[in-house]
Amino acid sequence: SQKIEQNSEALNIQEGKTATLTCNYTNYSPAYLQWYRQDPGRGPVFLLLIRENEKEKRKERLKVTFDTTLKQSLFHITASQPADSATYLCALYTGGFKTIFGAGTRLFVKA
Amino acid sequence: KAGVTQTPRYLIKTRGQQVTLSCSPISGHRSVSWYQQTPGQGLQFLFEYFSETQRNKGNFPGRFSGRQFSNSRSEMNVSTLELGDSALYLCASSLVGNEQFFGPGTRLTVL
Repeated sequence: SQKIEQNSEALNIQEGKTATLTCNYTNYSPAYLQWYRQDPGRGPVFLLLIRENEKEKRKERLKVTFDTTLKQSLFHITASQPADSATYLCALYTGGFKTIFGAGTRLFVKA
Repeated sequence: KAGVTQTPRYLIKTRGQQVTLSCSPISGHRSVSWYQQTPGQGLQFLFEYFSETQRNKGNFPGRFSGRQFSNSRSEMNVSTLELGDSALYLCASSLVGNEQFFGPGTRLTVL
């Protein structure tokens, strides 16, 4: 069956450290993968998109890697801050105008 | 540029009733997608519209329907509400189908 898996447990890290979130998928061949941030009671906000032929993408303190052989994406936030505390969602686009979202990982950054 | 708006923001209905939710996309965006978000299931894809045509639909019963108007505004309807339909309903618009811009959502409670 098709699945997208993100760390179901919350990730707690200290301010200034690098947070690394994982997204694994099975039985999908995504054209691209996206990461979103969602704060409580609000809609997700787009962060980064990485295509199947790209290995890595960066934007300010954010970095995404995409390994289509391992069927895995890693999302890194460097020099994390308490304001980075949120739920982070990974999303796959496999064609057919349909995006599939993972359940998300909650990140807590302690000051 | 105004963001995606959704109305109403909160709604309380009883079982058996029907409900209509509205979404106004960002100006110029012709693709509108709808998602249901619950704590247990995460974001689940409902359907996607482009130029008044439904291009894909998720695995939801026929009680869930939608439409898009010529100005790209979209509505979704849920008939014969069930307790399990209580959720945050999110609408997202996009220009070229990859980066999605989400509205704040409509919180539906079914009693």
